[in-house]
Amino acid sequence: AQKITQTQPGMFVQEKEAVTLDCTYDTSDQSYGLFWYKQPSSGEMIFLIYQGSYDEQNATEGRYSLNFQKARKSANLVISASQLGDSAMYFCAMRGLNDYKLSFGAGTTVTVRA
Amino acid sequence: NAGVMQNPRHLVRRRGQEARLRCSPMKGHSHVYWYRQLPEEGLKFMVYLQKENIIDESGMPKERFSAEFPKEGPSILRIQQVVRGDSAAYFCASSRDSGGKTGEQYFGPGTRLTVT
Repeated sequence: AQKITQTQPGMFVQEKEAVTLDCTYDTSDQSYGLFWYKQPSSGEMIFLIYQGSYDEQNATEGRYSLNFQKARKSANLVISASQLGDSAMYFCAMRGLNDYKLSFGAGTTVTVRA
Repeated sequence: NAGVMQNPRHLVRRRGQEARLRCSPMKGHSHVYWYRQLPEEGLKFMVYLQKENIIDESGMPKERFSAEFPKEGPSILRIQQVVRGDSAAYFCASSRDSGGKTGEQYFGPGTRLTVT
């Protein structure tokens, strides 16, 4: 079984600043993948970034980077140079590498202020 | 290459009616997953299907809910005799493979079901 914890229900960030969204997880799997999704007010789920548990380097995708600390079981998302369009709900998720079920956290709402 | 398609995007049903949600996976994908998102919560796995087979329905309520993925046509999630607690967003995802590095799931836009 897997468990994802996102402890920040909501955050405010100033435009152009960076924001870090926390995610901790618990799993008995040796190999697993960690994902972050963005859900804007329109409701769709947009894949942002993926980190494999055996990847040696932290994943980056444009302004998104994943701060992966395996020993601490944390996979925080960093959004650099925030834009107004980044205002959304953000979900951390994981699955065992040979599994198919994604387990999601409760999400963090980010509001970017001009 | 069209993404995962779901319809309808919004569905309103009265208590006791049936709801049918459709999902067309991405081209080349034969694995379909349904997730439910209750208000203010993350997505929860419901069911995993391959063509004509239900592989895992451990997340689906035992009563009133059923899913299918026929040889031809979209996957259908069916909710009979809907109740207010069924009001949620229902997301479909598809993947080329199951698990592994190529098991990445692509999500559809979701169907928002409102039961009045």
